[in-house]
Amino acid sequence: AQSVTQPDIHITVSEGASLELRCNYSYGATPYLFWYVQSPGQGLQLLLKYFSGDTLVQGIKGFEAEFKRSQSSFNLRKPSVHWSDAAEYFCAVVWRDTGRRALTFGSGTRLQVQP
Amino acid sequence: DGGITQSPKYLFRKEGQNVTLSCEQNLNHDAMYWYRQDPGQGLRLIYYSQIVNDFQKGDIAEGYSVSREKKESFPLTVTSAQKNPTAFYLCAAAGGGTDTQYFGPGTRLTVL
Repeated sequence: AQSVTQPDIHITVSEGASLELRCNYSYGATPYLFWYVQSPGQGLQLLLKYFSGDTLVQGIKGFEAEFKRSQSSFNLRKPSVHWSDAAEYFCAVVWRDTGRRALTFGSGTRLQVQP
Repeated sequence: DGGITQSPKYLFRKEGQNVTLSCEQNLNHDAMYWYRQDPGQGLRLIYYSQIVNDFQKGDIAEGYSVSREKKESFPLTVTSAQKNPTAFYLCAAAGGGTDTQYFGPGTRLTVL
């Protein structure tokens, strides 16, 4: 079955420190990959996406993610975290070859930023 | 201003009542989606529609119904058959063949 795994439920980092949020997906076909961010009680905002081409993609708010096909991963990174980055982050996948053009989400990683 | 609107933001209903959640978009996107969010479980797909007058069940469609009579609108009805309807409901739309989904602000439904 197709699935998306975010192994870290909760991460705490200090302001100014670097950040990496992990995302792994199952299933062999090449997926469309997304990262979204959600503030409490709000909808989801798209941070970045990968469809094809350069495996390092840049997004909004200084975030980037790297697609590693050999590891079935799409980890999100930021070199220096700001207090306003505290939120929940979701990795999501569309498997293009299945005919189901809908997102499958990971369970999310909640980021806490310490001053 | 383009976007996706969901109303109301908060909704309270008594157990056994049907309730309809509104989702409207002015992005001219063909595809629309409904997700349910529960704490610690991410988002799960309820229904989606690729074109007007057509829709498909998602992973947790039982107890829900939808219609897609207009491109701009994709209302979700939570029926009394849904065992545990209290949740945060998110609507999304995608277009241009990119599968990139944009989300509305959500509706929090509480069944008393």
